[in-house]
Amino acid sequence: SYELTQPPSVSVSPGQTATITCSGDRLGDRFACWYQQMPGQSPVLVIYQDTKRPSGIPERFSGSNSGNTATLTISGTQAVDEADYYCQAWDSQDVVFGGGTKLTVL
Amino acid sequence: EVQLVESGGGLVQPGRSLRLSCAASGFTFSSYWMHWVRQAPGKGLVWVSLIKTDGVSTNYADSVKGRFTISRDNAKNTLYLQMNSLRVEDTAVYYCARENIAVIPAVDLWGRGTLVTVSS
Repeated sequence: SYELTQPPSVSVSPGQTATITCSGDRLGDRFACWYQQMPGQSPVLVIYQDTKRPSGIPERFSGSNSGNTATLTISGTQAVDEADYYCQAWDSQDVVFGGGTKLTVL
Repeated sequence: EVQLVESGGGLVQPGRSLRLSCAASGFTFSSYWMHWVRQAPGKGLVWVSLIKTDGVSTNYADSVKGRFTISRDNAKNTLYLQMNSLRVEDTAVYYCARENIAVIPAVDLWGRGTLVTVSS
């Protein structure tokens, strides 16, 4: 079965750029999306189709996807961005999530 | 208000059954694919099942195939998950989620989840 691999944790200082990666075999051949989950909350879509932001998502969130890696970038990271982030892609007719990355802003 | 509200969770013994429901409101439920996604305590998101708009096309994660059945009643704007032969490892918060396949091909709406605890 298809697998997506994320680093368990990423740390960033306020105002700096956070980069969260998601790796999978030829992931660049598929669309990737990203979800943010605050503690105790439901996930929220922040990036879809590799690079697109849903309405209401701040411009500091951006995405890319090439080769075997999709990347979520948060520019000018704020304390409010501290959360778990999950990548997701389709494997045929099944949905696959990455294991999640805990972003710490300190 | 556009929302999904899950219900039906609770404490159940291993081997028993439980049916989850998800009530949709504020949008044309029949036009969307729907998922169940679960999250064990302190763990990540895990996809469980998908049902397309026709109510016939379905997919399941290998871990639940043959035990869980997803269904929908478009007249009642409700999604279901029938869970049989439950195992301790099925313990999780179960989220109902909308796939906006036509506009935003991703899950763009999540419910708040319902907790299922499988324990003797």
